[in-house]
Amino acid sequence: ETGVTQTPRHLVMGMTNKKSLKCEQHLGHNAMYWYKQSAKKPLELMFVYSLEERVENNSVPSRFSPECPNSSHLFLHLHTLQPEDSALYLCASSQDGRSDRGLGANVLTFGAGSRLTVL
Amino acid sequence: DAKTTQPPSMDCAEGRAANLPCNHSTISGNEYVYWYRQIHSQGPQYIIHGLKNNETNEMASLIITEDRKSSTLILPHATLRDTAVYYCIVRVRRYKLSFGAGTTVTVRA
Repeated sequence: ETGVTQTPRHLVMGMTNKKSLKCEQHLGHNAMYWYKQSAKKPLELMFVYSLEERVENNSVPSRFSPECPNSSHLFLHLHTLQPEDSALYLCASSQDGRSDRGLGANVLTFGAGSRLTVL
Repeated sequence: DAKTTQPPSMDCAEGRAANLPCNHSTISGNEYVYWYRQIHSQGPQYIIHGLKNNETNEMASLIITEDRKSSTLILPHATLRDTAVYYCIVRVRRYKLSFGAGTTVTVRA
């Protein structure tokens, strides 16, 4: 496996279900991201972990709960979602440099995404 | 809170160069310009980035104006597989790249 792998690729769940999205990166990166892409809307940053510490949380409802057990894995736990949460959820990783210089800083590698439908 | 302006769509003939403009008039001196593209329902793919100098890689060339207020992504020989949404991005803060609506590029045979 190479790059960033997301599972499942498609998920249908009811509003009372609990499910999780998984992301794994094989690039040796130290930062991981969750983005949400709703229909006809720009990508929205949800969470960022750098060195397994959450460094960004963009006013995301508590029904979305991220977990980063190590630098290679990222989860998004889902519970009591709403139909408007249906979207493409994208995971990304990057090498978090100490400055803006250098090719590794903030070049994100994205996974293929998990298409979530909430009924 | 996108900080870039791109045309919503453009067409390009297969085999010809595609020139994608982007305005980023509020960019600060140490901010990079990044370009990504997203083929339908897939994850965005990194293309290229630059600070002041023009850059070229195996996918594209990036031309940045001297005042850094605008840039152009050049796909030298567009193919049908280059049909995608192209995003010109600057960083809002350390971990946040601001994705706008992008330019939908359609390459026609």
